[in-house]
This record gives sequence, structure tokens and C-alpha cells, in this order.
Amino acid sequence: DQQVKQNSPSLSVQEGRISILNCDYTNSMFDYFLWYKKYPAEGPTFLISISSIKDKNEDGRFTVFLNKSAKHLSLHIVPSQPGDSAVYFCAASVGGSNYKLTFGKGTLLTVNP
Amino acid sequence: DAGVIQSPRHEVTEMGQEVTLRCKPISGHNSLFWYRQTMMRGLELLIYFNNNVPIDDSGMPEDRFSAKMPNASFSTLKIQPSEPRDSAVYFCASNSMAGGTEAFFGQGTRLTVV
Repeated sequence: DQQVKQNSPSLSVQEGRISILNCDYTNSMFDYFLWYKKYPAEGPTFLISISSIKDKNEDGRFTVFLNKSAKHLSLHIVPSQPGDSAVYFCAASVGGSNYKLTFGKGTLLTVNP
Repeated sequence: DAGVIQSPRHEVTEMGQEVTLRCKPISGHNSLFWYRQTMMRGLELLIYFNNNVPIDDSGMPEDRFSAKMPNASFSTLKIQPSEPRDSAVYFCASNSMAGGTEAFFGQGTRLTVV
């Protein structure tokens, strides 16, 4: 049973436009959420996180939104750049810990020049 | 810092053989994680060490899998005997404090068991 779901395996956007990556979760105990980015042949790298006490966290071009009632979070990238093309993983944990992360299966983002 | 270092990057082995994957965490990090990535299941945590002690191995799929951390700068994940369904990318990650900072991943070992 997948507790963290990324229902879009892939997403394609034009350079300069907004990319929106979505993630849904089923475990109401999750209280800490993270996004990781992964390039081919590399390990995932941390991008941005959000605690359940917030509904938004921003870091440069990247913003994560959390809707606890809907058990949904999203990652917005504005403006999108070709270098953002990668697989994006959503992850969640219980108790504010990031050691026991439950990952989604990832969304492949392609930003076209 | 060179980051988390994993070896080998690629491993092809025959079914039934023993496979050992190696990891050197970032110096000063006291938590180490082994993950496995497959198409079917995505990224799964196999085992977590804190200060060289295994804290949670509930993700280890079977007794064929074992992991050790003899010191703060080295860990191994061993599969004996290996099976084709073990084919996956295995990642090692480390951080400086469980629950405190985000984990840094190595480049992974792509294991193929034929």
C-alpha cells in the first residue's frame, strides 16, 4: 500500500513557465515532508522541506505548498529552467524525523528550451 | 568534502553469488541509511544506523540481506545468496543527526543479478 503517491509519472513544461509537481499521502501521522531531485546516474539531492505546522515554504524559485485537510502537497518551480529537468521525489515522515522517509515513486520533469 | 562514496558503481553477478556493496559516509555524519530503488516499489529504506549501531532494520527484505557498520567511516550491505529480484539501484545516505538534517545520498550502486 503506497502511503505517498505521485500520480503523474512525467511532466513536460516550457522554459520560463511554472512547473507544478503534485504529491498525495494517506498517512495522517505524517508531519514532515520533503522534496528530492534526482539526475540520471546520481543520488537524490535534497531540495526543500515543510513541516506540518506550515502551509507554505519558499526557497528561491522553489515553493512547497501543504494542504493537510486534503493530504496533498505540491512543488512549484517558477520560472522553470532546462537544468530543472530531473526526477522529483516527494517524501514524508512521522515525528519530524527525516530518518524513516517514505518516498513516492517520482515524477520525471522535462523542461523544454 | 567528497560526499557519500559508494562502490562499486555497477555490479553484475550471477544468481547465487554473494554481493557486497560498500559505503563511506560524509565525515562527521553519525547516521547512515541504505535505500533500494526499484521501478515497482520506488525508494525504500532498508536499514538505518546511528553511531554505528543498527537502529531500524525493518526494511531489510530477507535474511539474505545483512548490513554492518564496523566504524564511523564505513558500511557494507551484503546479499547472500543473490537472486535476480535483487536487481536494483542501492543508495547509501548519511546525515549528521537523525531528525535534524536532511540526508545526503551517494551516487548509488546499480546491481544486476543474472
